[in-house]
Amino acid sequence: EIVMTQSPATLSVSPGERATLSCRASQSFSNNLAWYQQKPGQAPRLLIYGASTRATGIPARFSGSGSGTEFTLTISSLQSEDFAVYYCQQYNNWPYTFGQGTKVETK
Amino acid sequence: QLVESGGGLVKPGGSLRLSCAASGFTFSAYNMNWVRQAPGKGLEWVSFISSSSTYKYYADSVKGRFTISRDNARNSLYLQINSLRAEDAAVYYCARGSSPPDFWGQGTLVTVSS
Repeated sequence: EIVMTQSPATLSVSPGERATLSCRASQSFSNNLAWYQQKPGQAPRLLIYGASTRATGIPARFSGSGSGTEFTLTISSLQSEDFAVYYCQQYNNWPYTFGQGTKVETK
Repeated sequence: QLVESGGGLVKPGGSLRLSCAASGFTFSAYNMNWVRQAPGKGLEWVSFISSSSTYKYYADSVKGRFTISRDNARNSLYLQINSLRAEDAAVYYCARGSSPPDFWGQGTLVTVSS
């Protein structure tokens, strides 16, 4: 099983600032890495797939990068609606596994 | 749209059948998943079924107790949960697709308590 580790657990950022979230895999794989956003009481929403491709309707301020074991989600200028929990997920091997999440909160 | 149902309060050792009704897309063309989230915790993938039910996969934590199935004629996905444990308490989401799952329902809550 591929273990996904996200850091930091909590990120305190002011609106308009840049946020950088990290996701590390316990073994290397291709670019089958997704990022999801989840707000309280809501289902997860797909942001990024293939490590760097934005899903339909996702604003350009969200970008993904990385390969192998190190992946990054960057939010270039945080908007009020971006404060949420973000999860990475590998879909390269069964079982699909998620990171434990990074909470982006207002500084 | 994906709408889950069937959650509720169940005693340890009990059984439950979750359903997910799909609409607005060609259900039979998509692989489907169940993913769960314990209260205040992260996401855990539970089970996968291919579009024609040929392939089924389960997390080790539920293998032998959970059974995934689908009825493409009814645009519905199911999860039969047996031998419920306290650690199975969670919101259960159905999620469409597998590369990666790209659309999720709002979930149904399963509570386990005596």
